[in-house]
Amino acid sequence: GAVVSQHPSRVICKSGTSVKIECRSLDFQATTMFWYRQFPKQSLMLMATSNEGSKATYEQGVEKDKFLINHASLTLSTLTVTSAHPEDSSFYICSAWGGGANEQFFGPGTRLTVL
Amino acid sequence: QKEVEQNSGPLSVPEGAIASLNCTYSDRGSQSFFWYRQYSGKSPELIMFIYSNGDKEDGRFTAQLNKASQYVSLLIRDSQPSDSATYLCALWRGGFQKLVFGTGTRLLVSP
Repeated sequence: GAVVSQHPSRVICKSGTSVKIECRSLDFQATTMFWYRQFPKQSLMLMATSNEGSKATYEQGVEKDKFLINHASLTLSTLTVTSAHPEDSSFYICSAWGGGANEQFFGPGTRLTVL
Repeated sequence: QKEVEQNSGPLSVPEGAIASLNCTYSDRGSQSFFWYRQYSGKSPELIMFIYSNGDKEDGRFTAQLNKASQYVSLLIRDSQPSDSATYLCALWRGGFQKLVFGTGTRLLVSP
C-alpha cells in the first residue's frame, strides 16, 4: 500500500503555544487528506477534510480558527493547533486518498500532550 | 442512534478459535464498508473492504455483509495472540466523502 508519514510522532508543549503537525504522502499524490482525532478508548473522529489548493471542510463542532489546516501541495498537508490547551491532548491521525486507490492510507499518528 | 455501532468488548477467544466481530449501521443507503485493525498507540490499518452482499475472504479473514439487515461482520479464523487489537468498522458516506467509524471492538486472543 501507499505510504503516509506524519511528523512529529510525539510532541509535548506548554499550554497556549501552537503546534504544527505535518502529513506527507510519500509515493503518491494525495488529492484529499483527512485529519482525525482520537481520545483514549474512543474511536476516530473526523476533524476536517482538505483538498489540495482549497479551503478545508471542517466537521461540526471543530473550530476552524483553532485547528488550521493547509494543503498546499499534493503531497503535504499540515494541521496547526493554535493556543493549545490540555483538553487538546489527543492522538492526531491523518489519512490520504489519491493515486487511483479506492481506500484511505493512514499516517502513523501524532501524540500531542499539552501541559 | 449511532451511525455505526459495535460492541466495545473485550471479546476473548482462545488461540486457534474463530473470532466473530459484528457491526451494525443505521443508514440503509450505505454502500461501502471497511474493517480496520488498530493496535494500542498506533494508527488503523486496513484489513479489508466489502461492497456486495455476501462473504469476502482474504486469508484468515472473512467479511460478511447483509444490507437487508444492515450488519457487517468480520470473522478471524485460527486466531493468534498477535490478532489482539481493537477492530474498527467503518462505512463510507459517499455524499459527504468521508469515513464514519464505529467505536471499535477490543479482541483478546489468549495463548
